Amino acid sequence: ETGVTQTPRHLVMGMTNKKSLKCEQHLGHNAMYWYKQSAKKPLELMFVYSLEERVENNSVPSRFSPECPNSSHLFLHLHTLQPEDSALYLCASSQGGGNYGYTFGSGTRLTVV
Amino acid sequence: GQNIDQPTEMTATEGAIVQINCTYQTSGFNGLFWYQQHAGEAPTFLSYNVLDGLEEKGRFSSFLSRSKGYSYLLLKELQMKDSASYLCAVGRGSTLGRLYFGRGTQLTVWP
Repeated sequence: ETGVTQTPRHLVMGMTNKKSLKCEQHLGHNAMYWYKQSAKKPLELMFVYSLEERVENNSVPSRFSPECPNSSHLFLHLHTLQPEDSALYLCASSQGGGNYGYTFGSGTRLTVV
Repeated sequence: GQNIDQPTEMTATEGAIVQINCTYQTSGFNGLFWYQQHAGEAPTFLSYNVLDGLEEKGRFSSFLSRSKGYSYLLLKELQMKDSASYLCAVGRGSTLGRLYFGRGTQLTVWP
């Protein structure tokens, strides 16, 4: 399997649930990212990981908790979300500065009810 | 911060040429990216410009003017499959890529 794989593709959860999004990259990249894509809004950078260390957190609420156990895997743990958190969550990876572009996964479409 | 502006929607016909403009204001600029995103799919990398000028890649070309904070994506010989959202993104930071995206331009190609 190649590229960036995200699971699940679709997720519906209640505001009191706890769930996790998973991302796996098979490209040998050393940086991974979480982005949020809401309707009519730009892609929003949430978290940046380089060599398994979080190097950026763009003021994301604590109900989103990322985890990067190794350079190939990235998780986004979700708890007590709000309906406005419903969006497409995209994972991406890059090598170094990303000057050759990111490779994105297909995303998880999250609906909070 | 960064302000990235591109038109919301554009339409064109098959076989035509379309130019999608993007203007930006940012600090720590290290490149301008264009991505294509079909509905329900992942964004895919189209082009990267870091120096002023035109980069051509098949039917797609991308132009950058750093002094003007301006880029465009030129699509030639349009095909129906080119109907998609085109995302302009600015890279920031010297050692680790951070991409900041515009809202995207939804292009519809008519037969």
